[in-house]
Amino acid sequence: EVQLVESGGGLVQPGRSLKLSCAASGFTFSNYYMAWVRQAPKKGLEWVATISTSGSRTYYPDSVKGRFTISRDNAKSSLYLQMNSLKSEDTATYYCARHGRPGQLDWFAYWGQGTLVTVSS
Amino acid sequence: DIQMTQSPASLSASLEEIVTITCKASQGIDDYLSWYQQKPGKSPQLLIYDATSLADGVPSRFSGSRSGTQYSLKISRPQVDDSGIYYCLQSYSTPYTFGAGTKLELK
Repeated sequence: EVQLVESGGGLVQPGRSLKLSCAASGFTFSNYYMAWVRQAPKKGLEWVATISTSGSRTYYPDSVKGRFTISRDNAKSSLYLQMNSLKSEDTATYYCARHGRPGQLDWFAYWGQGTLVTVSS
Repeated sequence: DIQMTQSPASLSASLEEIVTITCKASQGIDDYLSWYQQKPGKSPQLLIYDATSLADGVPSRFSGSRSGTQYSLKISRPQVDDSGIYYCLQSYSTPYTFGAGTKLELK
């Protein structure tokens, strides 16, 4: 059974940093692209970042580019999101997600339960 | 960026109806379109990928189709358990973009 378990969320002041983690199990982690997707309170879904199987390629929307860094440790089956210079508009539940096919940039086949990040003074 | 225009924003349907939700892409996306269901307090769940393929474990009353750059999710004879918010996603090119969501209430 595929499991994705996020951790690291919490309350953080504007301008500060936070690092999220996602522990994956139930599949060969190194074979899949992985992603972060967020959802502001009572709002829709927003893709935040994707990383290739080896970690050599990363993708971001303009809203987080230069502030957020996605990374992975295939030996630990873990995904990370380093968030710097946080803003109030980054307040959201952050979901770890696995892409669909091995080695492919495609749909999100599995999602974690999410971790809430609140940016406020 | 590719814009995904999803409609309607909300709808109320009976258990005997056929429910249709649409997403129109601002350009061609070559069927790189997926649909997700989200229930209150839960994470999204994949329903349809590649525009028409049913994800594992998803009931056959869900189906996807395409007409030009408009993609549709159809729920035939919905169940009460199908209440929730539905989102489309284009994965043709980054930045990936979701539709704004459709809130479905079954009456």
